[in-house]
Amino acid sequence: AQSVTQPDIHITVSEGASLELRCNYSYGATPYLFWYVQSPGQGLQLLLKYFSGDTLVQGIKGFEAEFKRSQSSFNLRKPSVHWSDAAEYFCAVAADNDMRFGAGTRLTVKP
Amino acid sequence: EAGVAQSPRYKIIEKRQSVAFWCNPISGHATLYWYQQILGQGPKLLIQFQNNGVVDDSQLPKDRFSAERLKGVDSTLKIQPAKLEDSAVYLCASSLEPSPYNEQFFGPGTRLTVL
Repeated sequence: AQSVTQPDIHITVSEGASLELRCNYSYGATPYLFWYVQSPGQGLQLLLKYFSGDTLVQGIKGFEAEFKRSQSSFNLRKPSVHWSDAAEYFCAVAADNDMRFGAGTRLTVKP
Repeated sequence: EAGVAQSPRYKIIEKRQSVAFWCNPISGHATLYWYQQILGQGPKLLIQFQNNGVVDDSQLPKDRFSAERLKGVDSTLKIQPAKLEDSAVYLCASSLEPSPYNEQFFGPGTRLTVL
């Protein structure tokens, strides 16, 4: 069965600084890959997804992610973080209609 | 377009009591999901419906959890009797079709506390 690992439980960055959230997956083939964001008291919102093609994927809110097959990674990046980006971020893997979420990375943004 | 609606938003019960959650998906979405999100973990799929039929309930603890989507629209998830470890946020999501190509839209969740 596929699995997804988010090595960082909590990350703190200063407003305006760049951000990279790590995601590693385990699966025999290339699964579908997703990043979701969850603000406090809210449901999950899809930031971006990768199915095939260009390995650099653009999403909403200025986020992007890069699929690296050799590293089994799908890291999320943003060049300049805003205070409103403070939230929980989840990487997810889907294959054969089975979606698995990572444990999440909580992002704190310092003023 | 209205999003996925869930109620109640919060529920506190004692162990061995029963509880039910309601979800109304986005209009026209055939696929409905219930997830359990324990504090500090990612969401875990409990059950997936396609219209009013169950597609996947392999991770649903069927001795105490049940779910239905009788008319293929809204859905209820029930726990009877509740245990302490059922304390979690229960998320409902919907999509047009079950394929991962179709984005899942999530409701705000119901936070359940079992004392």
